[in-house]
Amino acid sequence: GEDVEQSLFLSVREGDSSVINCTYTDSSSTYLYWYKQEPGAGLQLLTYIFSNMDMKQDQRLTVLLNKKDKHLSLRIADTQTGDSAIYFCAPGGGAGNMLTFGGGTRLMVKP
Amino acid sequence: NAGVTQTPKFRVLKTGQSMTLLCAQDMNHEYMYWYRQDPGMGLRLIHYSVGEGTTAKGEVPDGYNVSRLKKQNFLLGLESAAPSQTSVYFCASSPSDTQYFGPGTRLTVL
Repeated sequence: GEDVEQSLFLSVREGDSSVINCTYTDSSSTYLYWYKQEPGAGLQLLTYIFSNMDMKQDQRLTVLLNKKDKHLSLRIADTQTGDSAIYFCAPGGGAGNMLTFGGGTRLMVKP
Repeated sequence: NAGVTQTPKFRVLKTGQSMTLLCAQDMNHEYMYWYRQDPGMGLRLIHYSVGEGTTAKGEVPDGYNVSRLKKQNFLLGLESAAPSQTSVYFCASSPSDTQYFGPGTRLTVL
């Protein structure tokens, strides 16, 4: 099955850029998602990218996809304290569009 | 729209007891999913449904059953709860691609 790996922790200062990385193994993934989870809450869809794209920009968020290396990244520009949360990478596709989640990266933003 | 709702929000069970978790969505989505999230881990798929009356196994289906008698509802059942089923359970629905998640049910099995 699919394996999805993320680093556990990232700490940045307010106003800096954050880059969260993800590697996956299933090259047939059609969509690749980023979700945000705040403490005690459900998962909030942040953005996603189709597998035939290299980059997608959505306000402060930039997603980069390197299909050859099976590497996905999420860049948050001008990171704010409200961005502190756990971020999950989740490639998906196929029948039922099942997602496989990485273990999540905890982003801590220091004032 | 209420989106995806889950009932109950919290529950404590004793080993061997049974219970049903309810997921409801008002977006007319075809697909619905049940996940569990354990501390420090991502979500793992338990069961899913691609339409009313259909269900399929996910990554970790053992000890759980599901039913999708109505399009808007997806039920997750535990027939005989075990401490290993202590977790946070999330439901999601999808029109075909993007999944939208409910707020979760925190279940503790003693």
